[in-house]
Amino acid sequence: QKEVEQNSGPLSVPEGAIASLNCTYSDRGSQSFFWYRQYSGKSPELIMFIYSNGDKEDGRFTAQLNKASQYVSLLIRDSQPSDSATYLCAVIPGAQKLVFGQGTRLTINP
Amino acid sequence: DGGITQSPKYLFRKEGQNVTLSCEQNLNHDAMYWYRQDPGQGLRLIYYSQIVNDFQKGDIAEGYSVSREKKESFPLTVTSAQKNPTAFYLCASSNRGQGEKLFFGSGTQLSVL
Repeated sequence: QKEVEQNSGPLSVPEGAIASLNCTYSDRGSQSFFWYRQYSGKSPELIMFIYSNGDKEDGRFTAQLNKASQYVSLLIRDSQPSDSATYLCAVIPGAQKLVFGQGTRLTINP
Repeated sequence: DGGITQSPKYLFRKEGQNVTLSCEQNLNHDAMYWYRQDPGQGLRLIYYSQIVNDFQKGDIAEGYSVSREKKESFPLTVTSAQKNPTAFYLCASSNRGQGEKLFFGSGTQLSVL
């Protein structure tokens, strides 16, 4: 079982709709969870982080964490074509270094 | 402007050749990292350094070497022992104690001739 798993997609969402990206992790001791956005041919950039169960909102982005079920999700409201990118989930398992999922490719259709 | 500079953007390696990828940062970050990204895959950690003159192996260190002689610089050498070097290489840095909040360079695409 991979430490961090994401559906590789592609995920296609119409413009203006809500895009929902999911990530599961295997280490119950994981404490810190991150979402990075990566445009094609570019480097990743951190867009959200969450440490506690529940929701964390930042503009159009909401991160949701459920430690009991070992999943973390990212919601993008009012999706824009500029949101089209690969979204990487990253987790710190226990006291180790950051582990990345394989990423979900998101396409927003005008 | 503060940031991380990687060079070259594209690099080609011949059989049996060692090549070195450059990474320089002026963010005054203590920690630096090298990741490898294969198409459709996430990032895998090659090496990291939390302080000058010290570095640690990541998950896929075989066939790679690094040095950290200066705080600003963390070059990666892809040796001839790395049999499948074609990938996108990303350098990152972070403040000590914030190792999850990585700032990335623009990457180097390495291909084999």
